[in-house]
Amino acid sequence: QKEVEQNSGPLSVPEGAIASLNCTYSDRGSQSFFWYRQYSGKSPELIMFIYSNGDKEDGRFTAQLNKASQYVSLLIRDSQPSDSATYLCAVIRGSTLGRLYFGRGTQLTVWP
Amino acid sequence: KAGVTQTPRYLIKTRGQQVTLSCSPISGHRSVSWYQQTPGQGLQFLFEYFSETQRNKGNFPGRFSGRQFSNSRSEMNVSTLELGDSALYLCASSLGAGGQETQYFGPGTRLLVL
Repeated sequence: QKEVEQNSGPLSVPEGAIASLNCTYSDRGSQSFFWYRQYSGKSPELIMFIYSNGDKEDGRFTAQLNKASQYVSLLIRDSQPSDSATYLCAVIRGSTLGRLYFGRGTQLTVWP
Repeated sequence: KAGVTQTPRYLIKTRGQQVTLSCSPISGHRSVSWYQQTPGQGLQFLFEYFSETQRNKGNFPGRFSGRQFSNSRSEMNVSTLELGDSALYLCASSLGAGGQETQYFGPGTRLLVL
């Protein structure tokens, strides 16, 4: 079982819609959870981090964490064509400090 | 605050050569992590340094090594380059003390091995 798994996509939504990205992780000792966005040919850019169960909102982005189900999600409201990118879910386990475990990413396309 | 910087941005080498990549973290950050990104394997962790000590290491051969200096700048070295080492090499910095802090990525060094 992989450390971090994401729905592979690609995901395609119309402009203005809600995009939902999902991620599961295998280690119950994981403590820190991150969503990065990566445009083609660029490096990952932090979108959100979340440490506690529940929802965390930042503008059009909402991260949701459910540690009991080992599940993290990212919702993008009012999606824009500029949101088209690969979204990477990443986790830091309690036993391996300083190391991000990444999913393979979900490619999102927002069409006008 | 200036972001994470990496030099060089692009590099072309031939098999058997060695290469050194440099990373300067965000001011005040003491942890630097290195990752390799390829289309086939995605983002894979190489190693992490905090206060000049390697705190964590991924599953890469000994040809891959790194170090961190007292000013938190870090270098990674790859010796005896192989074709499969062609990749985007990313470094990320964080405050680092707890090991769980947010990591911010530099622009990467794109290495092509011919």
